[in-house]
Amino acid sequence: QKEVEQNSGPLSVPEGAIASLNCTYSDRGSQSFFWYRQYSGKSPELIMSIYSNGDKEDGRFTAQLNKASQYVSLLIRDSQPSDSATYLCAVTGYGGSQGNLIFGKGTKLSVKP
Amino acid sequence: NAGVTQTPKFQVLKTGQSMTLQCAQDMNHNSMYWYRQDPGMGLRLIYYSASEGTTDKGEVPNGYNVSRLNKREFSLRLESAAPSQTSVYFCASSGPTGGSGYTFGSGTRLTVV
Repeated sequence: QKEVEQNSGPLSVPEGAIASLNCTYSDRGSQSFFWYRQYSGKSPELIMSIYSNGDKEDGRFTAQLNKASQYVSLLIRDSQPSDSATYLCAVTGYGGSQGNLIFGKGTKLSVKP
Repeated sequence: NAGVTQTPKFQVLKTGQSMTLQCAQDMNHNSMYWYRQDPGMGLRLIYYSASEGTTDKGEVPNGYNVSRLNKREFSLRLESAAPSQTSVYFCASSGPTGGSGYTFGSGTRLTVV
C-alpha cells in the first residue's frame, strides 16, 4: 500500500516567520513530488514541483527532497496570513500507475497576524 | 483558457437517485481523474483514464461508473446514491505521465439525504 504521510496540524506560525511543512512517502519508486495549496472550500492548487534531490526555490517557497530518506518538505519564508490554508503533499507512483498521484491528508497552516 | 470545468457545483440527492457529474478540460491533456475528498480522509482516487478510450479503477470505485466520452470529457455517474457518497468530488487532468502535476476543477459538493 503506497502511502504519503503528513502531520495534520494545525501548524500555527506568526506573520513573517518561516513555516516548515513535512511529508514522508513509502514508495521508493516515486519519481515526482508536488505541493498543493488548498484554501477552505476551494480546489487544490499546484504551488511547487520537485523531481531531484536537493532544494528548489520559487519566490517565498522552497521545496526540499531527500529520496534516500523518502522525505519531502516545503518551507514558506516570510509567512503571510494569506498563506493560511491546507497544504497537500503528493507523489507519483511508478510502473503502470506512474501518472497517478498519491496524496497525503494535508497539513493545515495558520499564519497569525 | 478555462482549464478544468466541473458541473454542477452543488447537488442534493435523495438516497437511490442517480446523477452524472460532468468534467471537461481544454488543455489537451491525455489523463483525467475523479477524486473524492472527505474530512480526515484526504483525496481518494475513484477512477482514472490514462488516455481516451481507457478507464481504470482507483482506490474507492464501488458505487461509481465513469465514461471517457472523448479526450476532453470524463464523466462520473452515481447509479443509486447512498449517504456514504456525500462528499466533495474533484475532477483533474494531467499530461501523459502526470509528471507535471494535476490541474483540478473547482469541485462538486454532493449531499445525499
